[in-house]
Amino acid sequence: DIVMTQSPDSLAVSLGERATINCKSSQSVLDNSNNKNYLSWYQQKPGQPPKLLIYWASTREYGVPGRFSGSGSGTDFTLTIGSLQAEDVAVYYCQQYYSSWTFGQGTKVEIK
Amino acid sequence: QVQLQESGPGLVRPSETLSLTCTVSGGYIDNYYWNWIRQPPGKGPEYIGYVYFMGDTKYSASLNSRVTVTVDTSKNQFHLNLTSVTASDTAVYYCARSKGDTSRSPLDSWGQGTLVIVSS
Repeated sequence: DIVMTQSPDSLAVSLGERATINCKSSQSVLDNSNNKNYLSWYQQKPGQPPKLLIYWASTREYGVPGRFSGSGSGTDFTLTIGSLQAEDVAVYYCQQYYSSWTFGQGTKVEIK
Repeated sequence: QVQLQESGPGLVRPSETLSLTCTVSGGYIDNYYWNWIRQPPGKGPEYIGYVYFMGDTKYSASLNSRVTVTVDTSKNQFHLNLTSVTASDTAVYYCARSKGDTSRSPLDSWGQGTLVIVSS
């Protein structure tokens, strides 16, 4: 299985500041036949299911605020929250769907 | 907008079979892949497997020998069976829809989840 490793495990950011979460896969999730990275990001708040934010590494899901952006290719990916809002407090997971499906261990985002 | 709802027993005895149903409303089960994911308390999600509306399935390698996922298109439902459960199978179980028309897709619609505890 492809192992997904996120960093950091948690971070505290001031309101309005940028939050950056990293995700590294144990092997490439880039399909060279279509140049797509099979990588998504989810947000999970307490007592709720994960919510899809980003797929194909950088495509924002419909309705997701523009402050959320994804980047990266191959084995290294980043989720950026451009200006942290109070409602962004959550745990964020990366997930690969290139070969079977595996999730990262999660990154908890809090307000400083 | 499609909605998913898990149902089934909240308590299962060790060595018995865990059985859950996901009911899909607000849309048809046709032309999509339907998935089961679980999340142990305080941990990250773990993928279990999928069923295509035509019945094709694929399971996580770690659970393959104990998992069966089936679909009932007439009832707009799909089902999870997990045999020989132990305490390590205690988790919130989610059903979810794949976004695209291939199995290699992110999961865009999720049920609220149901907590299943394995205990005698």
